[in-house]
Amino acid sequence: KAGVTQTPRYLIKTRGQQVTLSCSPISGHRSVSWYQQTPGQGLQFLFEYFSETQRNKGNFPGRFSGRQFSNSRSEMNVSTLELGDSALYLCASSPGATESETQYFGPGTRLLVL
Amino acid sequence: QKEVEQDPGPLSVPEGAIVSLNCTYSNSAFQYFMWYRQYSRKGPELLMYTYSSGNKEDGRFTAQVDKSSKYISLFIRDSQPSDSATYLCAMSGGSYGQNFVFGPGTRLSVLP
Repeated sequence: KAGVTQTPRYLIKTRGQQVTLSCSPISGHRSVSWYQQTPGQGLQFLFEYFSETQRNKGNFPGRFSGRQFSNSRSEMNVSTLELGDSALYLCASSPGATESETQYFGPGTRLLVL
Repeated sequence: QKEVEQDPGPLSVPEGAIVSLNCTYSNSAFQYFMWYRQYSRKGPELLMYTYSSGNKEDGRFTAQVDKSSKYISLFIRDSQPSDSATYLCAMSGGSYGQNFVFGPGTRLSVLP
């Protein structure tokens, strides 16, 4: 079974621009979560989507948004980029039916904001 | 106080040593506990998954959960240079949906 895939793997943007990241979960998985990972803050939860609905949300500003499509693929958008948005953005998928399921991560998208 | 605390290291050990990695947490509602391994420039990879208190063993890895002390551990026996990575603890439970909380990670170096 193919793992979680994320595109693009690397991205360079300038302040004020916007960016869209994509995640394809493991086949059959309906839950997709997004995380931001930085050396200083570690892994921080952004939001989780399940069956095209946002089910959980972390403490990030409204510039960070996401959506999920009917095939469970998910996109994350960051508008008006700031230097502090430079990070590794990770997507994780799970079947999503219960809280007992664990998550499987993709390789991440490394975003650099100049 | 952070919800999950973990010594960031770095921790350096000689090849063949037993490694002990630990996390403490404050939310007594957590019921599911995981350890992930993350190599540089890669996504986290699930190593161990346990429910509630107790021990779980998988090859050279043993996970322990002590809910009464809010303390979890990962032991690595006969450590290898290929074990050099950052180890993240994660936990969930007590809220609807996939609301995982991660520790900051411990960087481990196993020296040949």
